[in-house]
Amino acid sequence: DQQVKQNSPSLSVQEGRISILNCDYTNSMFDYFLWYKKYPAEGPTFLISISSIKDKNEDGRFTVFLNKSAKHLSLHIVPSQPGDSAVYFCAASADYGGATNKLIFGTGTLLAVQP
Amino acid sequence: GAGVSQSPSNKVTEKGKDVELRCDPISGHTALYWYRQSLGQGLEFLIYFQGNSAPDKSGLPSDRFSAERTGGSVSTLTIQRTQQEDSAVYLCASSPGTGSWTQYFGPGTRLLVL
Repeated sequence: DQQVKQNSPSLSVQEGRISILNCDYTNSMFDYFLWYKKYPAEGPTFLISISSIKDKNEDGRFTVFLNKSAKHLSLHIVPSQPGDSAVYFCAASADYGGATNKLIFGTGTLLAVQP
Repeated sequence: GAGVSQSPSNKVTEKGKDVELRCDPISGHTALYWYRQSLGQGLEFLIYFQGNSAPDKSGLPSDRFSAERTGGSVSTLTIQRTQQEDSAVYLCASSPGTGSWTQYFGPGTRLLVL
């Protein structure tokens, strides 16, 4: 069963506009959420995270929103730039910093920012 | 500083052969993880090492998979009697383990089992 779901396999956005990437989860025990960005032939790179005690975290052009009641989080990129073109993975943990600390990943969304 | 490194970057092997994949974590990081990404899938957790604690092996798909971490640093993931369904990108990550649990990933090893 897919505990973390990214239902949009791809997204195309014009440069300068907002990119919104969505993620849904099913496990109510998840208490920490992360977004990773991956370029081809490279490992994922940490982008931004949010704890379940918050509903928003912002870092420059990147903002993550968490709606716990809907078990939904989203990543907003404003303004989008061509260099943002990559695969974005949503990840969640039920034991962040704990005995396990393992991340459960979604299947990724390929973002293409058109110049 | 140097990031997580993995070797080999690519590995082609024949079904039934054993393979070893190596991971060098970021110096000083006490936590080390192995994941794999099959085609069209997300990253799948395999195993987690933290300091001298017993590893969390809950993600290993079968007893053909094993991993070691020597001296609290380098880790080797071994797949015995490889099968075609083992073909995937195997990713290693490390995190400081204290104060910060952000996982930093290596570039991965692309394994193809013919």
